[in-house]
Amino acid sequence: GAGVSQTPSNKVTEKGKYVELRCDPISGHTALYWYRQSLGQGPEFLIYFQGTGAADDSGLPNDRFFAVRPEGSVSTLKIQRTERGDSAVYLCASSLAGGSSTDTQYFGPGTRLTVL
Amino acid sequence: EDKVVQSPLSLVVHEGDTVTLNCSYEVTNFRSLLWYKQEKKAPTFLFMLTSSGIEKKSGRLSSILDKKELFSILNITATQTGDSAVYLCAVLNSNSGYALNFGKGTSLLVTP
Repeated sequence: GAGVSQTPSNKVTEKGKYVELRCDPISGHTALYWYRQSLGQGPEFLIYFQGTGAADDSGLPNDRFFAVRPEGSVSTLKIQRTERGDSAVYLCASSLAGGSSTDTQYFGPGTRLTVL
Repeated sequence: EDKVVQSPLSLVVHEGDTVTLNCSYEVTNFRSLLWYKQEKKAPTFLFMLTSSGIEKKSGRLSSILDKKELFSILNITATQTGDSAVYLCAVLNSNSGYALNFGKGTSLLVTP
């Protein structure tokens, strides 16, 4: 079946604006993750969903960042009052069950966010 | 604080060469170590390692884990230009059984 998809692939916005990034996980995967990758760095964990609920949002950098997954499938990462430091590639991943040492996370192509 | 260190950070080789990428870690309650290949944006899964000394192999790529010395290596034999990518190592611990802790990656360039 299809892999993880993310839209848009690129987003350019101005400082102070609101953005939404969308992730469509692999069908049947209950666990969904958001990561952020800055240039020259590895991805950093933001938030983990198990079904509809955020099981761990400890990686969200501040309260301008929020994510939802209302029906346990598609997720939206929302960033309010964007800052230039938010510029990065936002990666989404999904896995079958989550929380298991053998549960593999499969990544989408990411959204490159540029805040001018 | 958990730490994952990859070396070298970048590498240039000629087609046909063999390369070894290194990943060392300091993680409390280790569960598993994963390797991903990242071309452009999407990291694609290569291997998951949970036990020491057992080699995982896929074509020209192989990887092994040493839980005593806390490191893993990824070997690529007979490299091809299509192997050019960033190779990411990530570790999972029991405290957070889902949040992958990534290294900075090794950028590999294979020249014709």
